[in-house]
Amino acid sequence: DSGVTQTPKHLITATGQRVTLRCSPRSGDLSVYWYQQSLDQGLQFLIQYYNGEERAKGNILERFSAQQFPDLHSELNLSSLELGDSALYFCASSTTTGGNTGELFFGEGSRLTVL
Amino acid sequence: GNSVTQMEGPVTLSEEAFLTINCTYTATGYPSLFWYVQYPGEGLQLLLKATKADDKGSNKGFEATYRKETTSFHLEKGSVQVSDSAVYFCALRGSGNTPLVFGKGTRLSVIA
Repeated sequence: DSGVTQTPKHLITATGQRVTLRCSPRSGDLSVYWYQQSLDQGLQFLIQYYNGEERAKGNILERFSAQQFPDLHSELNLSSLELGDSALYFCASSTTTGGNTGELFFGEGSRLTVL
Repeated sequence: GNSVTQMEGPVTLSEEAFLTINCTYTATGYPSLFWYVQYPGEGLQLLLKATKADDKGSNKGFEATYRKETTSFHLEKGSVQVSDSAVYFCALRGSGNTPLVFGKGTRLSVIA
């Protein structure tokens, strides 16, 4: 158990809909990262927050947004969903903003299926 | 930008066989290198890491050596077990505050 909790574990929805994925980081971790894992693209970095502020942005679509709340949990919002958004979405946390020795702790992921 | 290329799978081995999963990287400066493992139905977890050239990371019988001259970080294990069946990801973190960049993963299946 990594200590990172993601909900829901599975989600099935239709194209055009909007969903919210939730992540609670390990106790004491200030950084939260979101990654998308798909069969063809592998593991793609989406966005990082540190103590409530956006710190780095990767290949995140404009239809997607995220935030980190004062209690450090984070939410990833996916809107106007398309079939291609079907993927496993991982949240990870770490103690620092990064640094060369920073280890990430991953949740078990939220599997999104768009029909 | 930074990138990681690892051998495509799937890789199927018999128990006690020798394992090598190749990983090469492109990065500026002096990145740190990692191998993460994803067991079925679970999230990724750190397997080993190396933070500077010629460092060897090791854990659970797995090893990888940071080779700057060949920009490689190949994963090896002398004798695999069925329980090693998983997807293995090579990753790097570049200089400064940059998120981890992952390879596409290599699925390993070990059969008894």
